[in-house]
This record gives sequence, structure tokens and C-alpha cells, in this order.
Amino acid sequence: QKEVEQDPGPLSVPEGAIVSLNCTYSNSAFQYFMWYRQYSRKGPELLMYTYSSGNKEDGRFTAQVDKSSKYISLFIRDSQPSDSATYLCAMSPGTASKLTFGTGTRLQVTL
Amino acid sequence: EAEVAQSPRYKITEKSQAVAFWCDPISGHATLYWYRQILGQGPELLVQFQDESVVDDSQLPKDRFSAERLKGVDSTLKIQPAELGDSAMYLCASSFGQGTSYNEQFFGPGTRLTVL
Repeated sequence: QKEVEQDPGPLSVPEGAIVSLNCTYSNSAFQYFMWYRQYSRKGPELLMYTYSSGNKEDGRFTAQVDKSSKYISLFIRDSQPSDSATYLCAMSPGTASKLTFGTGTRLQVTL
Repeated sequence: EAEVAQSPRYKITEKSQAVAFWCDPISGHATLYWYRQILGQGPELLVQFQDESVVDDSQLPKDRFSAERLKGVDSTLKIQPAELGDSAMYLCASSFGQGTSYNEQFFGPGTRLTVL
């Protein structure tokens, strides 16, 4: 069983929809939780990170971490075609530790 | 805006040949990471450097892969001999690597390797 599980999708939604992306994990040592966006043939870029449990909001994006359930989520409001990409969750136990990634969820936002 | 540079962007080689990838991290970043991303999967760490020292190479197939960061700046990842299963995207990332706050890892564009 992988340390981080993520539904690979693909997920197709109409423009303007609210998107919910999720990951579960098994390693209790994870303290930092990240969401990366990766466009085709590009490197991942960090969208948001959260330390420990709680919520964090940045514009149309909201990240939630529930350490008791070992479950993290990313919500995208008012989704746009430019949001079409693969979204990777990632986790680490420390500030400069390696990242453990999920498989990524491919999102397609249609007009 | 400072970026992580990687070259080449694409590499096609035949199995049993040697290949090498180069990474230039963001200036001032002490920590450098090499990840491998197989199509349809998330990146997995191959090796992590702190300055010129290896911090973690537990997932590096040492019989065929080698990595160095001689002056603690740029880095080279080598595969010899390449195998069909090595076809993947090789991503380099760097972070400031110091202090107590979270160190964001910045990724380069990657080198896509195809082994025929």
C-alpha cells in the first residue's frame, strides 16, 4: 500500500464549478501538506502548503487538512479552463525533507 | 524570476547506453533534489543533497545511477547502462534548505528520457 493515495481521475467539470480534490495518507509523521499543479510536459509548481491540521485559503483555492482522519483536500471555486492540469498532493515530515507525492488527479475544465 | 534550469529537455537513447542530466538550482539554494516521475505517477525522490553532501539516496539504484554535486551548486545525474524501465521524467528541485520555516521546493522543467 502506498503512503499517499490519490484518485488519478480524470475529472471533468464545467467552467464555474467547484472542484474537490482529495488525498489520504498513512504516515503519521507527515506535518507539511502541499498541493502542486503540473501542466503537461512541465515541472510541478506549488499552489499552497499547510502545516498540521486546519484550513488555508488563497484566492479561489482552499486547502484543508484533517490529521485525525489522515485526509487532505483542495477546493477550487469558480473553476476556469486554465485550471486544467494535473494536481498532485505531497507531504513531508519536516521543513526540508523529501516530498512524498500522490499519483496526481488530472482535471479538465470545459467551456 | 529565478528558476531551476535543467538540460537537456528531451533525451532519446538506446538501452545499455549512458545518459547524463544536468541541473542548475536557484542561486543560494543549499538543498537540491532529483526526483523521477513515471508517466501517470507522482514524482519519487532519487537523491537529496545538502550543499555537496548526500542526505538521502536510499531510493537511488546505485548499480546504474550516480549523482554528484561537486561544488555544492549544480548537479549531474547519470545512468549507465540505461534500461527500458528508466523511461520517465527526471525532475530537479531546489530549496533554501535552512531555517525553521517551511522550505518550498522549486521544480525545474524536467528532462524527459525515452529508452528504446
